[in-house]
Amino acid sequence: GDKVKQSPSALSLQEGTNSALRCNFSIAATTVQWFLQNPRGSLINLFYLVPGTKENGRLKSTFNSKESYSTLHIRDAQLEDSGTYFCAAPTSGGNYKPTFGKGTSLVVHP
Amino acid sequence: DAGVTQTPRHEVAEKGQTIILKCEPVSGHNDLFWYRQTKIQGLELLSYFRSKSLMEDGGAFKDRFKAEMLNSSFSTLKIQPTEPKDSAVYLCASSLDWGAETLYFGSGTRLTVL
Repeated sequence: GDKVKQSPSALSLQEGTNSALRCNFSIAATTVQWFLQNPRGSLINLFYLVPGTKENGRLKSTFNSKESYSTLHIRDAQLEDSGTYFCAAPTSGGNYKPTFGKGTSLVVHP
Repeated sequence: DAGVTQTPRHEVAEKGQTIILKCEPVSGHNDLFWYRQTKIQGLELLSYFRSKSLMEDGGAFKDRFKAEMLNSSFSTLKIQPTEPKDSAVYLCASSLDWGAETLYFGSGTRLTVL
């Protein structure tokens, strides 16, 4: 099965509302990184987390390594928040390569 | 500092051709990754280099895909021969020390194989 599962797979928000995206791990993740892939295709770094919480403007992310999940909270959603959100964690097994979830596709509408 | 640079941005190839995609990682980064992204499969790892050594050469992609890193500031991904199913976005990413540090992506190369 998927080592990194993201939910929901798709989300539609009205401008100004709040929501949360989730990333569940079936691996022993020690760190997690969140990205936004914008409509042009660029993957933009949002957060790099060790266990704990980080906040940047209207975005806040929490990583709970003991319960193997991370959340990304979006407050006061804006049109420019639209895109696909990915989480990634190091996969052990010798090489520690980044393993990605399948993404959450977010559309913010007026 | 420059980010990860990928060239070309777009590539169109005929079936059977050889194409070479290029990537310059962030200066000083030790880890470099090549990914293929499609709507159906998502992000698939093709190759992983650490300090120029090949750490992983994605199994299913071995036969026609070859990534090289001749120096710490330049990597290539060769696809030979190309097939229409190779049409995808190819992404390069680098990190100072993935797992302990942030991963940075380039803008990608969109490959279309006719």
